[in-house]
Parts: sequence; structure tokens; C-alpha cells
Amino acid sequence: DIMMTQSPDSLAVSLGERATINCRSSQSVLHDSNKRHYLAWYQQKSGQSPKLLISWASTRESGVPDRFSGSGSGTDFTLTINSLQAEDVAIYYCQQYYSTPQTFGQGTRLDIK
Amino acid sequence: QVRLVQSGAEVRKPGASVTISCKAAGYTLSDYGIHWVRQAPGQRPEWMGWINVDKGNTKYSYKLQGRVTITRDNYATTVYMGLNRLRFDDTAVYFCARGLRKDNHDSFDPFDIWGHGTLVTVSS
Repeated sequence: DIMMTQSPDSLAVSLGERATINCRSSQSVLHDSNKRHYLAWYQQKSGQSPKLLISWASTRESGVPDRFSGSGSGTDFTLTINSLQAEDVAIYYCQQYYSTPQTFGQGTRLDIK
Repeated sequence: QVRLVQSGAEVRKPGASVTISCKAAGYTLSDYGIHWVRQAPGQRPEWMGWINVDKGNTKYSYKLQGRVTITRDNYATTVYMGLNRLRFDDTAVYFCARGLRKDNHDSFDPFDIWGHGTLVTVSS
């Protein structure tokens, strides 16, 4: 299985500031055939289902605010949330869908400082 | 509105079986793959398996191989996930989730639409 490791486990950021969450995969999730990274980011608020924010490492889903962005390559990826809003409080997960079983990181809990 | 509607909460004893249903609203279920993901309390999501709803072929997590079965009805309007020989550590919220790409015939997709989740409690 591909192991996904996020850092930090939790962070607190002031409103309007930037939050940065990192994700590392135990092997590359770059598909040679299409040069796409099979890496997604999800937001899960308390008591809710996960919500897809970013696919292919950097493609923002429709309706996701542009303060959310994804970057990275190979085995190291980053989710950046600019100008943090109160509604961004959640747990964030990265996921690889390069191979079966698809696997998730352990999650990063984001709170307001 | 595009959504997935799941069946309600279940309570089972160890060794029993459970089946959860997942229906699509607002789109044609057979146009997309459906994945099943579970999440134990305070844990990360765990992928369980996938079905190509159009063709009926499946893939399963090897960790659950032999205990999990994903099927769809003959009209491809409902997908089912069955889990047998339940154990205490199968207590979790179970989600069905749609693969991102329409008409994608493999399981390598992120999940863009999630059901609301079904709590399965295994208790003696």
C-alpha cells in the first residue's frame, strides 16, 4: 500500500492568515501515461462527509473558493489556504488514487488561533 | 441536485452481516463508478472497494477480501455494500462516494460526491 503522511497533525491559524498543510506519499503518484499526479485533498467538517477540494494535485473543484490551492509533485504535496475564514475549521485529508487500495493521510486538524 | 442517498443506521452483533444501499439522485448512477469508504471514530477514511456500475465489475481492498461484496441491482439504480462476519472494529460510518470522471472504467478517481454516511455499530 502507498502510505500517506501529513504534517502537521494540527495547526491553529489566525483569521485572514495563511494555513499550509503538507502531504507525503511513500512512492510517486505521478502516472507516466498522462503525467498527472493522482493526489486529492478533502475537507471534512465535524459530523459531515468529506468534501473534495482539489484533484490531480492542483485542480480546484467547481465551487471551491480560490483561497484553496494545491501544489507539489512526485511524493511531496501542499494544500494552502490563503486568508483563512472561520468556515475553514475542519480536518483536511490528502488521498492517493494512483493505486489500489486508495489511501488517505491521517488528517490535519485546522483551528482558528 | 446531485447526491447519493444511503440507507439508515444499523446495529449488529459480532459475526452477523449487514447490507447498506446507495441510490443516486440527480444523475444516472451507471454513468460513474461508485466507491465505498468507511471511517471509524476519530480515524482516517479507509477505502473498501469499487464497482463499475455500468458493467458490474468490482475491486476490493485486500484487507476486506472475502468479507465485503459490492453489487448493483439489475436496473443499475441502486448499489449495495455487504459486509459479513462483523467484528467490533467494523464499527464505523460507511460512505458511498462517486468517482470523479464520467464513463471512467477504472477505479482510479477521487470522489466528488459522497453519501451522508451510514453508521454501523457492532455490539454484543
